[in-house]
Amino acid sequence: DQQVKQNSPSLSVQEGRISILNCDYTNSMFDYFLWYKKYPAEGPTFLISISSIKDKNEDGRFTVFLNKSAKHLSLHIVPSQPGDSAVYFCAAAGSARQLTFGSGTQLTVLP
Amino acid sequence: GAGVSQSPSNKVTEKGKDVELRCDPISGHTALYWYRQRLGQGLEFLIYFQGNSAPDKSGLPSDRFSAERTGESVSTLTIQRTQQEDSAVYLCASSLESIRGLDNSPLHFGNGTRLTVT
Repeated sequence: DQQVKQNSPSLSVQEGRISILNCDYTNSMFDYFLWYKKYPAEGPTFLISISSIKDKNEDGRFTVFLNKSAKHLSLHIVPSQPGDSAVYFCAAAGSARQLTFGSGTQLTVLP
Repeated sequence: GAGVSQSPSNKVTEKGKDVELRCDPISGHTALYWYRQRLGQGLEFLIYFQGNSAPDKSGLPSDRFSAERTGESVSTLTIQRTQQEDSAVYLCASSLESIRGLDNSPLHFGNGTRLTVT
């Protein structure tokens, strides 16, 4: 049973527009959420995180929104750039000392 | 190098053989994690080390899988009698402390070992 779900395997966006990547979770004990970005043949790299005490965290072009009641988070990238093309993984943590990852969304930013 | 290093980067093995995958974490990182990613799937947790002990082995899929860590540094993941379903990218990650620590202590991943069992 997947506790973290990314229902869109892929997303294409025009350069300069907003990219919105979505993630849903089922475990109400999760209280810390992260986004990782992965290029081919490389390991995932940390992008941005949010604690459950917040509903928004912003870092430059990247903003993560958390809706606890809906058990939903999203990553907004504005403006999108071709170099943002990668697989984006959503991850969540609770009391267990490990991250539970979603299956990833392939973002393609078209020039 | 300053990052997490994994070797080999690629490994092709015959079904039934044993394989050993190596991870060199970032120096000083006490927490070390093994994940794997099978084709088209997300990252699947395998095992977590804090120092040299493994408080969470819950993700190891069978008793053919084992891992150890020595000197609070290098870790090896061993898969005995490999099966075709073991084919995946095996990723190692480390952090200064467990992820329940500081928000600015996220996991740092290596580039992974791509294991193919024929």
